[in-house]
Amino acid sequence: SQTIHQWPATLVQPVGSPLSLECTVEGTSNPNLYWYRQAAGRGLQLLFYSVGIGQISSEVPQNLSASRPQDRQFILSSKKLLLSDSGFYLCACTPGGEGQYFGPGTRLTVT
Amino acid sequence: QKEVEQNSGPLSVPEGAIASLNCTYSDRGSQSFFWYRQYSGKSPELIMFIYSNGDKEDGRFTAQLNKASQYVSLLIRDSQPSDSATYLCAVKIVDTGRRALTFGSGTRLQVQP
Repeated sequence: SQTIHQWPATLVQPVGSPLSLECTVEGTSNPNLYWYRQAAGRGLQLLFYSVGIGQISSEVPQNLSASRPQDRQFILSSKKLLLSDSGFYLCACTPGGEGQYFGPGTRLTVT
Repeated sequence: QKEVEQNSGPLSVPEGAIASLNCTYSDRGSQSFFWYRQYSGKSPELIMFIYSNGDKEDGRFTAQLNKASQYVSLLIRDSQPSDSATYLCAVKIVDTGRRALTFGSGTRLQVQP
């Protein structure tokens, strides 16, 4: 079965600073990969998904971007963080069957 | 209208009782239905999925699907305090390979000892 790693686990960044969150997946090949954000007390918002290396689809236009440089690596970035970027960032994968599996998440606080 | 709707709760049940969590969805093209459990501060964990009308049982959990009524539910028998969490309903809508799920906002369950 697949294992999803995310780092860092927590992050506190000032407004206007850059961001890089990394997600790696083990135990599966060519998975679909996803970035979600969950604001405090809110549901999951799909930000980006990828069906293969270099293939990124954006669900919500904003100051975030994503890249997939390797089959099992998914990166979420920003050049300048906003206060509204605070939240719980979750990487997920669909290994090929049904269901989506989540990593442990990164809790981001923008101050 | 939201695509996937859940009562936010909290739903409070005594220990040992049956907890019933409900979810409705708007898109008749929905194929598959998933229940996730999310403990406070943790990521969602997949606990069950169902494709066909009827019931599907796994241990203390039973998922029920009624496509005609666009309704899916999760029953938790013999509820334990450790079941206290937010339960997310998710739906897979027919697409071209994106395989993304649409999530409800979740129902918070509290099991009272």
